Amino acid sequence: DQQVKQNSPSLSVQEGRISILNCDYTNSMFDYFLWYKKYPAEGPTFLISISSIKDKNEDGRFTVFLNKSAKHLSLHIVPSQPGDSAVYFCAALPYSGGGADGLTFGKGTHLIIQP
Amino acid sequence: DTEVTQTPKHLVMGMTNKKSLKCEQHMGHRAMYWYKQKAKKPPELMFVYSYEKLSINESVPSRFSPECPNSSLLNLHLHALQPEDSALYLCASSQDGTGGHSPLHFGNGTRLTVT
Repeated sequence: DQQVKQNSPSLSVQEGRISILNCDYTNSMFDYFLWYKKYPAEGPTFLISISSIKDKNEDGRFTVFLNKSAKHLSLHIVPSQPGDSAVYFCAALPYSGGGADGLTFGKGTHLIIQP
Repeated sequence: DTEVTQTPKHLVMGMTNKKSLKCEQHMGHRAMYWYKQKAKKPPELMFVYSYEKLSINESVPSRFSPECPNSSLLNLHLHALQPEDSALYLCASSQDGTGGHSPLHFGNGTRLTVT
C-alpha cells in the first residue's frame, strides 16, 4: 500500500511557464514533507520542505503548498528552466518520539522542460 | 558536489563474492541511512543508524550487513547476493538522530551489478 502517491509519472512544461507537481499521502502520522530532485546517475538532492504546522513554504523559484485536510501537497516551480528537467520525488516523515526514521518516497514525476 | 561520499561508484560482483560499500560524511550528522533504488522506482529504506546504533532494519535479507564504525562512516557488507539485488545503493545522512525533522542528504550512490 503506497502511503505517498505521485500520480503523474511525467509532466511536460514550456520554459518560462509554471510547473506544478502534485503529491498525495494517506498516512495521518506524516507531519514533515520534502521534495527531492534527481538527475540520472546522481543521488536525490533536497529541494524544499514543509512542516505540517505551515501551509506554504517558499525558497526562490520553488514553493511548496500543503493542504492537510486533503492530504495533498504540491511543488510550484516558476519560472521553469531547462535545468529543472529531472525526476522529482515527494517524500514524507512521520512524527516520531525517538529514533531516526527513514523517508517514505513517492514514485516520482519526470519533469521535462521544453524550450 | 554532494557532501555524502560513496565508494565505489560502480561495482560488479559474482554471487559468491564478498564486497563492501562505503559511505562517509563530515557534516556532523547523527543519523545515516542505506537506501536501495531500482530503475524507475523510488528509493526504498534498508537501514537507519542513529547515533551509531542500528535503529531501523526494514526486513532486509541477511546477505546485506550494515556497519557503522563511527559517526562519519557507514558500510554495507555484501555476501552471496542474487542478480535481483542489482540496483543503485544510496547512502544518506541527516542532522537529527532522535526523530527531529531535518532533510536527508544523499550521496550519488553505488551502481551494483550482480552477475
